Amino acid sequence: QSALTQPPSASGSPGQSVTISCTGTSSDIGGYNYVSWYQQHPGNAPKLMIYDVTKRPSGVPDRFSGSKSGDTASLTVSGLQAEDEADYYCSSYAGSSNWVFGGGTKLTVL
Amino acid sequence: QMQLVESGGGVVQPGKSLRLSCAASGFAFSPYGMHWVRQAPGKGLQWVALVTSDGSNKYYTESVKGRFTISRDNSKNTLYLQMDNLRVEDTAVYYCAKRGFCSNGVCYAYHFDYWGQGTLVIVSS
Repeated sequence: QSALTQPPSASGSPGQSVTISCTGTSSDIGGYNYVSWYQQHPGNAPKLMIYDVTKRPSGVPDRFSGSKSGDTASLTVSGLQAEDEADYYCSSYAGSSNWVFGGGTKLTVL
Repeated sequence: QMQLVESGGGVVQPGKSLRLSCAASGFAFSPYGMHWVRQAPGKGLQWVALVTSDGSNKYYTESVKGRFTISRDNSKNTLYLQMDNLRVEDTAVYYCAKRGFCSNGVCYAYHFDYWGQGTLVIVSS
């Protein structure tokens, strides 16, 4: 499977909202409601932020939200805070017990 | 508190073997499938392999099929990744990750719920 497509970078000022896109195909994002998003600070392990397109694990601020339309999923971070600066990765189930990730987006809080 | 601790990484020559371990604690290990995910230096994440809760079914990304073997020992709460015939392009941090979670009788199984801190594998001559 090919990797999902994410923009390499995104940015916003504190308090603003930023949306990160993740584009796949009908074999992954478009075919299943199993998109998840991960936050990774430098030198740290990834942390689950969103699963099943829109669901937020306990402990994740409600400033983080997910959505999907067709073959493209999105992560929106509202009310940007300095600690949101990190790399963000999308992932999708791709069928037959396979998963695919996006290339990652570096989010900068200006 | 949930914890996954990887070990076994190191520097190895191309064509050689290495076995990674992932020790789980703080949660019920045996009911959950477990993944290995890797991240090459400065690159993105790549799913590597999945083993089901009882170890009976195993799935791999194409590039490691026939070279890597995922397994688990539920009596030891430990996940393994046997890596044979290693290639330079296998150089990466290898993370183990818990497959989803179950709550109130409902299971959500298509994401990587919790990750270890990773172990670095360098394949170089």
